[in-house]
Amino acid sequence: NAGVTQTPKFQVLKTGQSMTLQCAQDMNHEYMSWYRQDPGMGLRLIHYSVGAGITDQGEVPNGYNVSRSTTEDFPLRLLSAAPSQTSVYFCASSTTTVLGTGGGDGYTFGSGTRLTVV
Amino acid sequence: GDSVTQMEGPVTLSEEAFLTINCTYTATGYPSLFWYVQYPGEGLQLLLKATKADDKGSNKGFEATYRKETTSFHLEKGSVQVSDSAVYFCALTDYNQGGKLIFGQGTELSVKP
Repeated sequence: NAGVTQTPKFQVLKTGQSMTLQCAQDMNHEYMSWYRQDPGMGLRLIHYSVGAGITDQGEVPNGYNVSRSTTEDFPLRLLSAAPSQTSVYFCASSTTTVLGTGGGDGYTFGSGTRLTVV
Repeated sequence: GDSVTQMEGPVTLSEEAFLTINCTYTATGYPSLFWYVQYPGEGLQLLLKATKADDKGSNKGFEATYRKETTSFHLEKGSVQVSDSAVYFCALTDYNQGGKLIFGQGTELSVKP
């Protein structure tokens, strides 16, 4: 089925380890983004991209890196995991508006990655 | 900056009760407004949206009206079911601010038989 695919679904890391959360979409969406969900705080934007080769920071970018080499993929890298990065991570994609911004027809979300850093 | 505020949960209702979840927003431009729903263990699904003032979004018996004068987008349903138990998120996208999706903190709804 078309949509946003995130892998892995669950991950446990030790403090200081690095890893990459994968996100792929097959809807030819230009706009892709990463959010983290924490209890009582809703979802907060980490990084986003309006197209291949273009990325920008969101509300909480520290400790995370992204790149966008293709339209389909938008991986999120944790450089040195910390317990504060324990969270559920969601990838979301959308078409772009005539202004070149996200949210053209609403966003499609992946099913999430639950990350625990010990 | 832009922000969204939702009523705090959890909200517990009996089946067939009337539901209201309040949502207010702050935005410098003219945002589009959304309600997303998250069922246990799943990602977020778009429930409904409204793109301009006085628009009413509706889906699966849920409704919300974009009220610019009160900067509100309250979610309502006339008769809830057990299957409506989920977390509901109000959100906005301001296309003049990059189109980023900004969420409220979420409201957990539990419907008892």
